Amino acid sequence: AQSVTQPDIHITVSEGASLELRCNYSYGATPYLFWYVQSPGQGLQLLLKYFSGDTLVQGIKGFEAEFKRSQSSFNLRKPSVHWSDAAEYFCAVGPRGGSYIPTFGRGTSLIVHP
Amino acid sequence: EAQVTQNPRYLITVTGKKLTVTCSQNMNHEYMSWYRQDPGLGLRQIYYSMNVEVTDKGDVPEGYKVSRKEKRNFPLILESPSPNQTSLYFCASSFEDGEAFFGQGTRLTVV
Repeated sequence: AQSVTQPDIHITVSEGASLELRCNYSYGATPYLFWYVQSPGQGLQLLLKYFSGDTLVQGIKGFEAEFKRSQSSFNLRKPSVHWSDAAEYFCAVGPRGGSYIPTFGRGTSLIVHP
Repeated sequence: EAQVTQNPRYLITVTGKKLTVTCSQNMNHEYMSWYRQDPGLGLRQIYYSMNVEVTDKGDVPEGYKVSRKEKRNFPLILESPSPNQTSLYFCASSFEDGEAFFGQGTRLTVV
């Protein structure tokens, strides 16, 4: 069965600082990988996705993620965090054995200090 | 506009009173799913559907039912809600690649 681990429950950064959110996955084949963001009181919005090809993926809002097969990781990065980036971030793996429904990590809550 | 619509957004009910949360998508997706979100537990899948009349249990199906009579609709049914089903619920639909589109969520309180 596929699984996703986000080892950090909370991350606190200062505005303007760089950010890296970790994501490790377990999957039998090359997975599809996603990062979603959930702002307070909102649903989840897709930040970026990796299907194949270039392992460095650019997303919206200045985010990027790098797929590292050898480490089974798909870490999310941003060079300079803005206060509006404070949110919950979810890493996801898909599909699940043909069901095409993604599996989500438990999420990382990002706190941004002014 | 491509969207997933859930209703209601907020619901307070009493233990044992049957309720239905509706979910509709306009993207002609075959795949739909329901999640619940609880503090510290992330998103947990309740049920999913790969097509009309095809549904299957997710990780936490107990106490829930679903149906998929039409491609666009995937209602979540709580036949006898209990307080431990107080949660934030999300419906999602997805392409074959697994990219999910989420509704705005339904915050359910069972007293």
